[in-house]
Amino acid sequence: NAGVTQTPKFRVLKTGQSMTLLCAQDMNHEYMYWYRQDPGMGLRLIHYSVGEGTTAKGEVPDGYNVSRLKKQNFLLGLESAAPSQTSVYFCASSYIAGGRVWNEQFFGPGTRLTVL
Amino acid sequence: GQQVMQIPQYQHVQEGEDFTTYCNSSTTLSNIQWYKQRPGGHPVFLIQLVKSGEVKKQKRLTFQFGEAKKNSSLHITATQTTDVGTYFCAGRPSNFGNEKLTFGTGTRLTIIP
Repeated sequence: NAGVTQTPKFRVLKTGQSMTLLCAQDMNHEYMYWYRQDPGMGLRLIHYSVGEGTTAKGEVPDGYNVSRLKKQNFLLGLESAAPSQTSVYFCASSYIAGGRVWNEQFFGPGTRLTVL
Repeated sequence: GQQVMQIPQYQHVQEGEDFTTYCNSSTTLSNIQWYKQRPGGHPVFLIQLVKSGEVKKQKRLTFQFGEAKKNSSLHITATQTTDVGTYFCAGRPSNFGNEKLTFGTGTRLTIIP
C-alpha cells in the first residue's frame, strides 16, 4: 500500500494564479483532512471530509476550496493564490474502527507551495 | 475557539539527557494524540491517550494525560540522535464532533552529540 500520496511535491505560483493539490489514499479511510504548516504555528486545519461527497470548514478555510468526489481522493484548490498562502500543505486520512471515530491520522509527504 | 499550547517551543539537549514537552488545552479534551515529525518529513502518529490520568510507555518515551483532561506531557529518557524532530500533541475537544484534531504548536528537539 502506498498510504497517503500528494501531488505535486513542490510548486511555485505567481499571485493570482490558481492550482489544485491532489491527495489520494488507498486505505479505504472515511475521513480526510487538509492542513497547512507554517513555522512556529503547528498544523492548522483548512478543510476536512467525513465521507465521499461531504466537506466541512476547518480553522483557516478562507481562500481555499475542496472536493471529495471519490472516497480515495481529496482535492484542495486555490482559486487566486496570495503570498500569505505560501506554506507546506499536508493531507491526512483517518478511519472508523470499533465504533470509535477518534483514531490516528496518517499523513502524506506534503506539498511545498511558494506564492510570489 | 480551542487552543492547544506546547512548551517549550525549542529544546536543545546533550545526547543522553532527558527531555520533556508539555501540552495544555484551553478546553477539556476527549482524547489526545502525539505525533513526531522528523526534519523535512511528515507527522507520524506515536500514541493516543483517552482516560483521565492515563500513562503509557513506549520504550524510552512516557506519555501522560492529566486528571482534568486538559494537559498532557511527553518525556523521553536518555535521548538519542534518532529522537531529533518536532513533537506535536493534538487534542479532540470534548464538546465538538470527534472528526477534528487541534494541533499544538510543537516542540522542536535537537540533540547535541
